[in-house]
Amino acid sequence: DMKVTQMPRYLIKRMGENVLLECGQDMSHETMYWYRQDPGLGLQLIYISYDVDSNSEGDIPKGYRVSRKKREHFSLILDSAKTNQTSVYFCASSLRIYSGNTLYFGEGSRLIVV
Amino acid sequence: GEKVEQHESTLSVREGDSAVINCTYTDTASSYFPWYKQEAGKSLHFVIDIRSNVDRKQSQRLIVLLDKKAKRFSLHITATQPEDSAIYFCAVDTNAYKVIFGKGTHLHVLP
Repeated sequence: DMKVTQMPRYLIKRMGENVLLECGQDMSHETMYWYRQDPGLGLQLIYISYDVDSNSEGDIPKGYRVSRKKREHFSLILDSAKTNQTSVYFCASSLRIYSGNTLYFGEGSRLIVV
Repeated sequence: GEKVEQHESTLSVREGDSAVINCTYTDTASSYFPWYKQEAGKSLHFVIDIRSNVDRKQSQRLIVLLDKKAKRFSLHITATQPEDSAIYFCAVDTNAYKVIFGKGTHLHVLP
C-alpha cells in the first residue's frame, strides 16, 4: 500500500517550545520533502532530502531543521517555535531525485503556535 | 531561483463548461510540469503532467498545453463536474530537482 504518513495530524504549541513533525513512507522512495501551506501562498518548499543524511535547503529553511536517518523516515524540527510558523505542513516523497517523478503527499500536520 | 506564477487565484465555471488555469515559469531549462489537486480539507494528489518534449497531453477530461517559447503551461478541464471543485496547483521540476509550486487556483464548479 503506497502511503505517506504524518504524525501528529494536529498540534498546538506555545511560542518557544520545540516541535517535532514526523513523516514516514512505505514505498522505499529516495527523495522526501517538507512543504508548508499558507492561504494565498501555496506550497513553499522548506527542505528536500535526497537520501539518508543527504538534505538540502528549500526556499524557506530558516527556523527549521530536518533529520533523515532511515530512508523511510523524515523529520521536521522547529527549535523554539514562533507564531509565524503556524501553518499546515505537508510531507511528500518521490521515487528518486531525477526530474519527472510524481510526488506522493501525506495528509498534512496542522500546527498552531500560540 | 525558479519561480512559478499561477495566474488565477479563483475560477468559477458552470457545470458542463470548460475551465482553464494558466501558469508561467522563469527557468527555460525546466522540463517537467505536473499538476496537483487538493480537495477541501484533504491532501494533494497528482492529476496530470507534461514534459518539455511535447506540447499537448490529454487524460480523459484533462488537457495540458505547454508553450516553451512563452514559458507558459495550462490545464484545461472539459465538461466540468461538481467533483472537479478543488484547488489546483501547477508545479515545475527545476534543474536542482526541487519541485516548486504555484499558489493554487480555487476552482468552483457551479450547478
